[in-house]
Amino acid sequence: DTGVSQNPRHKITKRGQNVTFRCDPISEHNRLYWYRQTLGQGPEFLTYFQNEAQLEKSRLLSDRFSAERPKGSFSTLEIQRTEQGDSAMYLCASSLEVRRRNEKLFFGSGTQLSVL
Amino acid sequence: SQKIEQNSEALNIQEGKTATLTCNYTNYSPAYLQWYRQDPGRGPVFLLLIRENEKEKRKERLKVTFDTTLKQSLFHITASQPADSATYLCALHRTAGNKLTFGGGTRVLVKP
Repeated sequence: DTGVSQNPRHKITKRGQNVTFRCDPISEHNRLYWYRQTLGQGPEFLTYFQNEAQLEKSRLLSDRFSAERPKGSFSTLEIQRTEQGDSAMYLCASSLEVRRRNEKLFFGSGTQLSVL
Repeated sequence: SQKIEQNSEALNIQEGKTATLTCNYTNYSPAYLQWYRQDPGRGPVFLLLIRENEKEKRKERLKVTFDTTLKQSLFHITASQPADSATYLCALHRTAGNKLTFGGGTRVLVKP
């Protein structure tokens, strides 16, 4: 068990470009979450999956954001037509939900996105 | 609207003293509350979980209390050490929902 892995660690892009991040959760975990965090703030929920099903998406998430978890294992988060306001740390977390008791989250180290 | 509030001002404390952090929430009925530690450039790391029917939880030098009447949790670090310097986040899991919602975090600086 190597924990939650996120790639890349850093991404610098120009405004208007598309970017994609990858998250590999802990192998036996069925839940996978994406959060966004800006400096001095707590993580902000974006979306989460139970296996391959996307169960909830934040109302704050624009249509430019899309996430997938095709086989219930790794997940990708894509941001289309990036804007400077998208600059943030994107965190992935996983957990094991058992009998509707979803407890602690295990986070990756995040992908730091800078949009120039 | 639902809010989770933590003191945004950094807490400076002398080594060996007890650090006490506050987490207040409004318009929530949380099933449980969690505390995480976050170091710069890293993801949060789970520390403690306390359920709505529990008053207090301890783990080594850490203690958490949960008062659902006051809608408040207190997080204590006893005998603080410089290595405890980090940002501490509280997070709530709503009874009816499945996502964990975080407060803004409080930065703690323990001086030797």
